[in-house]
Amino acid sequence: GQQLNQSPQSMFIQEGEDVSMNCTSSSIFNTWLWYKQDPGEGPVLLIALYKAGELTSNGRLTAQFGITRKDSFLNISASIPSDVGIYFCAGLRQGAQKLVFGQGTRLTINP
Amino acid sequence: GAGVSQTPSNKVTEKGKYVELRCDPISGHTALYWYRQSLGQGPEFLIYFQGTGAADDSGLPNDRFFAVRPEGSVSTLKIQRTERGDSAVYLCASSLIQSSYNEQFFGPGTRLTVL
Repeated sequence: GQQLNQSPQSMFIQEGEDVSMNCTSSSIFNTWLWYKQDPGEGPVLLIALYKAGELTSNGRLTAQFGITRKDSFLNISASIPSDVGIYFCAGLRQGAQKLVFGQGTRLTINP
Repeated sequence: GAGVSQTPSNKVTEKGKYVELRCDPISGHTALYWYRQSLGQGPEFLIYFQGTGAADDSGLPNDRFFAVRPEGSVSTLKIQRTERGDSAVYLCASSLIQSSYNEQFFGPGTRLTVL
């Protein structure tokens, strides 16, 4: 099935570093979402973006909805150990209810 | 309040057997979704219910997969004649439906292993 192109696939960083990951698509989405998934759990919503060009923050997280509506990025500043996990982007088309997910970015933090 | 719950948390079965996976959505949520997550991948949409009816079943891979939600609350995903390729984590989510996007709250999933 279709998935969004998410990169990088994995990241190994030091605690305190900033993180950046992005997601691209060949087609337009009207809503972009970023989720985090911990082992044995379902994805949990971090940030939702509804408008092209929108920049939204949630604590140390900042995400942007690309102006072409075909991409989005997520930044995490000053990483801490609890940021470890898998981050997924997801897109939603106009009038649709099914989410299309990226392949995920696995974040590992060295203390 | 309680979140989305799924049972069983793990299911091991043999190739060719029939399995049922259950989802209890958040109380009052009218929409219910099933996704399948293979190892190292993001979730992939299977089916979406609005109330009792399947509003979109375009993600079901073939006719071995079927889902029901007879009273508009609990849903059961049914897989007939299981194959090894069906092994994955099956995630359920629920949401309120309004005119714009409403957050889908995910359960912890059922890990299905077909031997």
